[in-house]
Amino acid sequence: EAQVTQNPRYLITVTGKKLTVTCSQNMNHEYMSWYRQDPGLGLRQIYYSMNVEVTDKGDVPEGYKVSRKEKRNFPLILESPSPNQTSLYFCASSSLDQTEAFFGQGTRLTVV
Amino acid sequence: KNQVEQSPQSLIILEGKNCTLQCNYTVSPFSNLRWYKQDTGRGPVSLTIMTFSENTKSNGRYTATLDADTKQSSLHITASQLSDSASYICVVSAKGGGNKLTFGTGTQLKVEL
Repeated sequence: EAQVTQNPRYLITVTGKKLTVTCSQNMNHEYMSWYRQDPGLGLRQIYYSMNVEVTDKGDVPEGYKVSRKEKRNFPLILESPSPNQTSLYFCASSSLDQTEAFFGQGTRLTVV
Repeated sequence: KNQVEQSPQSLIILEGKNCTLQCNYTVSPFSNLRWYKQDTGRGPVSLTIMTFSENTKSNGRYTATLDADTKQSSLHITASQLSDSASYICVVSAKGGGNKLTFGTGTQLKVEL
């Protein structure tokens, strides 16, 4: 079954404690991206990657890092989380022309 | 600046009724327009994708239309069911630069008995 898997689904952490949200896809897609979704706002892109070792900033990259060492994995790293990073996060993957994007189930992060 | 605006913000209809959701966009250069359904707390799921040359596309009880001249799209839901209760998001893709997606804020649909 084609899918994008994120872990964890829910996470509560304290300010400044480094965390990583994992994302894995089994469709051999070149393109992967991270979004955050906040009430009243559309999904906003954090970072994206067009292939292994190729990453670029989206619209709201501050406070986040990513890596793409393997094609299937695209972890999102928060080196020093702050309360304004409390949000619902989605990972997505697609072929390079992005004719269809597949989204993970989401990670609800709370930073206290 | 690329933008996607959706209306209405929220909608309540009775089961079995039809409804139409609207999407206006200012995205250039246009590549394609998608409609996604997002259940509460879950990831968006694709309903339809339309390119510049397509003006209508159906997926079961969902029918999307696209007017590329006026930069408007609509999603029509026929014979609504309780399971249609969700947020419906219009997403427009721009050509080049990684085919960047611009998301609308969604229409929250509630179907009631």
